[in-house]
This record gives sequence, C-alpha cells and structure tokens, in this order.
Amino acid sequence: QSVLTQPPSVSAAPGQKVTISCSGSSSNIGNNYVSWYQQLPGTAPKLLIYENNKRPSGIPDRFSGSKSGTSATLAITGLQTGDEADYYCGTWDSSLSAGVFGGGTDLTVL
Amino acid sequence: EVQLVQSGAEVKKPGESLRISCKGSGYSFTGYWITWVRQMPGKGLEWMGRIDPDDSYTNYSPSFQGHVTMSADKSISTAYLQWSTLKASDTAMYYCARHGPIGTSSNYLDYWGQGALVTVSS
Repeated sequence: QSVLTQPPSVSAAPGQKVTISCSGSSSNIGNNYVSWYQQLPGTAPKLLIYENNKRPSGIPDRFSGSKSGTSATLAITGLQTGDEADYYCGTWDSSLSAGVFGGGTDLTVL
Repeated sequence: EVQLVQSGAEVKKPGESLRISCKGSGYSFTGYWITWVRQMPGKGLEWMGRIDPDDSYTNYSPSFQGHVTMSADKSISTAYLQWSTLKASDTAMYYCARHGPIGTSSNYLDYWGQGALVTVSS
C-alpha cells in the first residue's frame, strides 16, 4: 500500500490529452515539492517534472505538472505511442522522514 | 556529464551477504544525496533510504531500516547498499539515484543508475 495514491492505469488515443492524479496528505504533498518520473519498459526511471511544475532540460512542454493542496497532477498533451510507460509521483514525507512514491500509473496510448 | 554507474547483476543464495555499488561521476559527489530505490518484479518504485556521501549520514525508510545498510566512500565517489543476510524476498532491481542538493528542500531524483538486478534463490 503506497503512501501516495495514483490510478493504476489510464489510456487515451494518440494526439489526445491525459492526466494522472497523485493524492497524498499534509505530511507529504501538502508541504513538500512533488516530482514525476517516467519509466519506459525495461529501463530506469527518468525525471519528468520536479518542484511541482518544472521540467528538466530536454523534457518537452507536452509534459506539465501542477499541485493543489494535497494532490498533484501530471498532464500529457499530444500523446504519442512512445509515451506508453509507467508514471510515478514522488515527494518527501515529513512524518516518516523519508521519500515516498505513488504506486505508479500504466499509460496506454490506444 | 553526470553519470551513476552501478555494479552488475548478482545471483545469491538465501542467507548470503551482498554489497552492490553506485559510482558517481561528472559532478561533486559530496554535494548531493544518493538515494536507493527498490523495484520488485512487476511492481512499483519503493524509496529505501538516502546517504550523504560527505559524512555518511543516512535516512532510512521505516520499511527498510535494519534490513539494509547504506555506506559511501567519498574518496572514490561510490555509494554502497549492503545486506548481511539475504532472503528470497530481496529479489528485485535496485536503483541508485542522485537526490537534490544537500542543504536544500529539493527532493527530486534527477539522475539514475542503470539498475542492479539481485536474484536470491536456493
């Protein structure tokens, strides 16, 4: 049981937009930055979004992040088949004094 | 170029000990935490803990405290994850990752190692 809650799977057609939610509490998302990671099959995770809504160099602006209260959202526009991957949210939990991840969301581009 | 290079795959028997490594390059190794992440077969990411390579201060997740030991040798820019007694349930991919700069509120993992597959089987 993960500390952060994500939907197990989402799907959308190529070119469409999809959003992935990440729900937590005041001890984690509510008072700490959220980051998002993409894990393509058979590869190591890659940082997509940091500090709620910032993109590392090289990440296209089709990927965006937002945070409100104890929830965060990753949005992906202009979906491509290459976006099929598992997506994870992560943050710090001040009560646990440890990092935490969501359970991951499997994105299918139909 | 920032790189984290991990040691290779390991096959061990239950009860054996193991240490895997993560060598950083292309940045100031003592300026950033190293975090370890477990991914069991077909499962999600689990935050195990982090180490400050400068003074070897550690934060462990309660789920992993007492089961693994993190260490670092800053003279060779290498972090380690160690088990004294492996169990079959330790079978997983283990990633090291660079955590945001020490002394800041940054908690993201911006560079990841390639992963080390640990298989524990009799």
